[in-house]
This record gives sequence, structure tokens and C-alpha cells, in this order.
Amino acid sequence: SQELEQSPQSLIVQEGKNLTINCTSSKTLYGLYWYKQKYGEGLIFLMMLQKGGEEKSHEKITAKLDEKKQQSSLHITASQPSHAGIYLCGADYTGANSKLTFGKGITLSVRP
Amino acid sequence: DTGVSQNPRHKITKRGQNVTFRCDPISEHNRLYWYRQTLGQGPEFLTYFQNEAQLEKSRLLSDRFSAERPKGSFSTLEIQRTEQGDSAMYLCASSRTGQTYNEQFFGPGTRLTVL
Repeated sequence: SQELEQSPQSLIVQEGKNLTINCTSSKTLYGLYWYKQKYGEGLIFLMMLQKGGEEKSHEKITAKLDEKKQQSSLHITASQPSHAGIYLCGADYTGANSKLTFGKGITLSVRP
Repeated sequence: DTGVSQNPRHKITKRGQNVTFRCDPISEHNRLYWYRQTLGQGPEFLTYFQNEAQLEKSRLLSDRFSAERPKGSFSTLEIQRTEQGDSAMYLCASSRTGQTYNEQFFGPGTRLTVL
């Protein structure tokens, strides 16, 4: 079974709309990382959350961590075509700041 | 500033052949990771190094796979007797210890196709 479940699997939104995607862990998280990937390319780091209730923002992207639910949400405000891509969450389950365990990713398309 | 680089970017090989990939991390990063990603999946951890020491290997890393980081700088990943199931994107990442959190910087990947 998948340790990190991401939902929805894919999403199509109209440019300018807000959206939220989720990442839920079946195990205790020491850290939760969000990355973005363009098809066929490497991953670009977005944000890292460590503490319950933590919330971080960068430009129009906000990520939150709910420690009780072991869940993180990523919210994009006023989506743009540049936001299109695959959003991956990665978990640090060891606390050793080493390997990451990734979810399957969410494919976001933004219609102009 | 150069990020993580990987070579080659694409490799097509016939089943049974050996292949080797190279990863050059960000220069001041002492940790280097290898992941494998197949279509529709997230990256799966293969192995990682701290300096020249290989600290962890995944069960995914069969005995046909070997990784090295001889001088604690670049790393190579070799796959012997390739199989069609080895077709994937091989991603390298690097990071630096002593940070509050482990931001891993990823390279563009090497896409392997085994015919």
C-alpha cells in the first residue's frame, strides 16, 4: 500500500481559479516536502513543513501541515499556466534528514 | 551557480547490456541520492552517500545495480545485464548536512530505455 496518498490524482482548472491538493500519510511524519516537476524533468523544491500547524507561503502557493491528520495541503491562489505540472509530496519518515518517500504526484493543468 | 547535472540525459540500450550514469552534485553538498521514477509514479529511493560512504541501499537495488562515489564528489550508477523493467528515469539529488531541513536539489534525470 502507498504510504503517501495524494489527491486528487489530477486536476484541471481555469486560469485565475484557486485550487487545493492534498497529501496524506499513513505513518508519522518528521517532515513533509513539496516539489514540482515538469514532465520529463527533475524536481523543483517548493516548501518544507515540519511542525504541526505550520504554514508556509511562497508567491501564490501556500502549504499547511495538520499533524493530527498527518496531512498536508497545498493551495494555489489565482492559478496561472506556469503553475501547471506534477506536484509531488515527499515524506521524511526517519527523522534523519536522509531519504524521502514520495507520493505518486498530482498532475495539474491550467486552462488559459 | 551550477545545479545538479546528470549525464547522459537519455540512454537507449538493448537488454543484457551494461549502462553507467553519472551525477555531479552541487559542489558544497556532501550528500548524494539516487532515485528511480517510472511513469505515473513518484521517485523511489535507491541509495544515498554521505561523502564517499554509501550509507543506505534500498531493497529495490538488486545486485545488478551498483553505485559509487569514490572521491565524495561525483557519483556513478551502473546497471549490469539490463532488463526491460529497468526502463525508468534515474534521478540524482544532493543536499548538505547541518541544515535545519533536508532540501534535496534534483538533477534533470537520465531516462533509460531498455529494448
